[in-house]
Amino acid sequence: AQSVAQPEDQVNVAEGNPLTVKCTYSVSGNPYLFWYVQYPNRGLQFLLKYITGDNLVKGSYGFEAEFNKSQTSFHLKKPSALVSDSALYFCAVRESSYKLIFGSGTRLLVRP
Amino acid sequence: DAGVIQSPRHEVTEMGQEVTLRCKPISGHDYLFWYRQTMMRGLELLIYFNNNVPIDDSGMPEDRFSAKMPNASFSTLKIQPSEPRDSAVYFCASSFRTGSNQPQHFGDGTRLSIL
Repeated sequence: AQSVAQPEDQVNVAEGNPLTVKCTYSVSGNPYLFWYVQYPNRGLQFLLKYITGDNLVKGSYGFEAEFNKSQTSFHLKKPSALVSDSALYFCAVRESSYKLIFGSGTRLLVRP
Repeated sequence: DAGVIQSPRHEVTEMGQEVTLRCKPISGHDYLFWYRQTMMRGLELLIYFNNNVPIDDSGMPEDRFSAKMPNASFSTLKIQPSEPRDSAVYFCASSFRTGSNQPQHFGDGTRLSIL
């Protein structure tokens, strides 16, 4: 079965510094990977996805993610964090053509 | 553009009562998903529909839960009778041709509290 792991419950970073939110995956076959963000009292919002092609995927709000097949990782990155980036971030893998399996989430706190 | 619309946003009721959550997907989307989010279990897929037909309900916790999609623009998730352990945030999401890896679009959820 497909699965994803987000090893950090929380990531703290200062505004203006680069940020990384980690995700590792376990799949049989080609991985289809996603990142979503959740702000307080809101639903999840799609940030980016990796299906095939370039290992560096660019998404919304200046976020990008690096797919690494040898390390089975799909880490979310941003060169310069904003206080407004503070939110809950979810990595997800597609289990079948229709179902997403979500990680446990990582809370990002960007301090001014 | 209107996103996925869920109602009510908050629901507080006593155990044993029937609860109905409602969802209007994005127009043109042919897949609809119901999720439950709790601190203990994270985000769980309960059921999903394709073209109004339930495809996989293996995530529905028990017979007290039921979901319907009478047409392409409306779905309900019903709990009868409700129990305190059903307290959670319930999300509806929709997508277009999920098989082509289109992202799912989430509503803002219904926060359900069963007393």
